[in-house]
This record gives sequence, C-alpha cells and structure tokens, in this order.
Amino acid sequence: GIQVEQSPPDLILQEGANSTLRCNFSDSVNNLQWFHQNPWGQLINLFYIPSGTKQNGRLSATTVATERYSLLYISSSQTTDSGVYFCAPLQYGNKLVFGAGTILRVKS
Amino acid sequence: DSGVTQTPKHLITATGQRVTLRCSPRSGDLSVYWYQQSLDQGLQFLIQYYNGEERAKGNILERFSAQQFPDLHSELNLSSLELGDSALYFCASSVGTSDTQYFGPGTRLTVL
Repeated sequence: GIQVEQSPPDLILQEGANSTLRCNFSDSVNNLQWFHQNPWGQLINLFYIPSGTKQNGRLSATTVATERYSLLYISSSQTTDSGVYFCAPLQYGNKLVFGAGTILRVKS
Repeated sequence: DSGVTQTPKHLITATGQRVTLRCSPRSGDLSVYWYQQSLDQGLQFLIQYYNGEERAKGNILERFSAQQFPDLHSELNLSSLELGDSALYFCASSVGTSDTQYFGPGTRLTVL
C-alpha cells in the first residue's frame, strides 16, 4: 500500500511565526486531505487538495501530484493552531491513509 | 461541527465484553467509513459502506463487524474485547466514494 511520510514530526513555534509542513507519499493519488486534530481529539477538515493550491484564511496548501508531495503553510500562527496535523492521501478511491502526523505547539 | 454524529462519546468496559458504536452521517452522504486511532497503530481505516453495502475493508479484526442500515446510519460492533482494542473510533461520511470525508467527534473506548 501507499506509504505516507510527514515532516517534521514535532514543531514548536512562537505565536506569530510561519511554518511549512510537508507530506510525501509513495504512489500516485486522486485525492488528498489535510486535517487538524485539536487537543480534544476532534479531526477537523482543512483541505481537500488532489492538486494545485488552495487558501483558507491563514492556511494554504499545495499538492504537486506528479512529484508526490503536499505542503501545508500556516502563517501568523496562533495558540489555537496547536495540535496534530495529518496528511491523508486517498487510496483505491475510498480509504484515507494517514501519515504519523506533525505535532505543532504554538507558544504565546 | 462536521454534521457527522457519533454515540456514545465515551465507553468504558471490561475485557471479553461486546459493545456497539453508532454513527449518523451528514445529510445526503451515502458513504460511511470507520477508522481506529490508537497510540501504537496511529489512524487506520477499518471498513467502508456505501448505500447499505460493504465497499472496502481495511485492517479490521474478525471480532469486529459493521453494517449500514436503510436510513444510512451505521454501527460498528466490537466483541471479545481486549485491552489492545482501547482506542478512539472515528466515523466519517462522504457523498460518494472519492469525495471529501468528514469526521465525527469519535468514540473513546477504554477496555479495562
């Protein structure tokens, strides 16, 4: 099956800083989603991004499907951005395969 | 709020017991997925139903089973529970089979 690698595994930021999270995947995909898991365990949809670039407020994502990677940009980070960020390509048209995640801590 | 509901939020039970987790998908969604999140395995896909029929299976144990009912809600049955089944169980739904999946708040299962 597809392998998903996320980097960095851990990230500590000062409030207001910017960051880039990376997701590499081993096979071509038709879809990819980014999620934020907050400290209460909720998985929040950030982006559905099989290719190209999308922006939503301070967050944006880019997927380069031909090179098998996706990037999540967080600008002007806030303490509420803390949590775990997961990348999940869609395999076989139906199941999401999750990476190990990036743990983000934003300090005030 | 994703529109996907799961009950119960927390469940504490003993080894050897059987439990049922319930999921109601977003209005209009025909696909329901179950995922398990544990400390050692991470987030992994268990099973998918589409409009009442099983569509895909992942790393689901034989002690686990699921079904989707005519009103499209789904239940995940876990039997002969072991300590290692303690995890957060998520349900997700989507319109079709390749569309954005929206996740419910999860059911946290603790097996003592």
